[in-house]
Amino acid sequence: AQTVTQSQPEMSVQEAETVTLSCTYDTSESDYYLFWYKQPPSRQMILVIRQEAYKQQNATENRFSVNFQKAAKSFSLKISDSQLGDAAMYFCASRGGSNYKLTFGKGTLLTVNP
Amino acid sequence: DTGVSQDPRHKITKRGQNVTFRCDPISEHNRLYWYRQTLGQGPEFLTYFQNEAQLEKSRLLSDRFSAERPKGSFSTLEIQRTEQGDSAMYLCASGTPYNSPLHFGNGTRLTVT
Repeated sequence: AQTVTQSQPEMSVQEAETVTLSCTYDTSESDYYLFWYKQPPSRQMILVIRQEAYKQQNATENRFSVNFQKAAKSFSLKISDSQLGDAAMYFCASRGGSNYKLTFGKGTLLTVNP
Repeated sequence: DTGVSQDPRHKITKRGQNVTFRCDPISEHNRLYWYRQTLGQGPEFLTYFQNEAQLEKSRLLSDRFSAERPKGSFSTLEIQRTEQGDSAMYLCASGTPYNSPLHFGNGTRLTVT
């Protein structure tokens, strides 16, 4: 079984600043994957970034990067140079290596202030 | 690639009525998922298909819920005798069997009055 916890229901950031969203997880599997999804007001869930647990190097996608701390079971998302279009609900999710099912956290609502 | 399509976008129904939602996945994706999302919560897994075979069902999927994917392409999710607690966003997602992320549709928002 997998659980994902996002302890920040809401966060805000000034445009062009950096913000970090927190996520912790628990899993009994040795092989697993972690994801951050973005859900804007238009509702479609969009993949932001993903991390394979066996990789020590933190994933990076343009302005988005993660801090993956495997021993602490922590997977935070850093958004640099925040833009107004980054405003959305962000969900952390995990999937076991042998299981195609995603388990989501409750989400963090990010507001970007101009 | 037209993305995952869900129909309708919104559905308002009276308690006790039956409703059916449709999902058209990305054409080359053989995995299809249904999730339910209530206000302030993350999506919760309901069921999963690989091609036409329904391989896993959540305990959330009571006997009033049924999902089909008859030809391994589109899928339908039916809720019989709807209850107010069924009000939620129903999300469909599709993917390939390899190590690839899921693609989500825009969802169907169900309101049971």
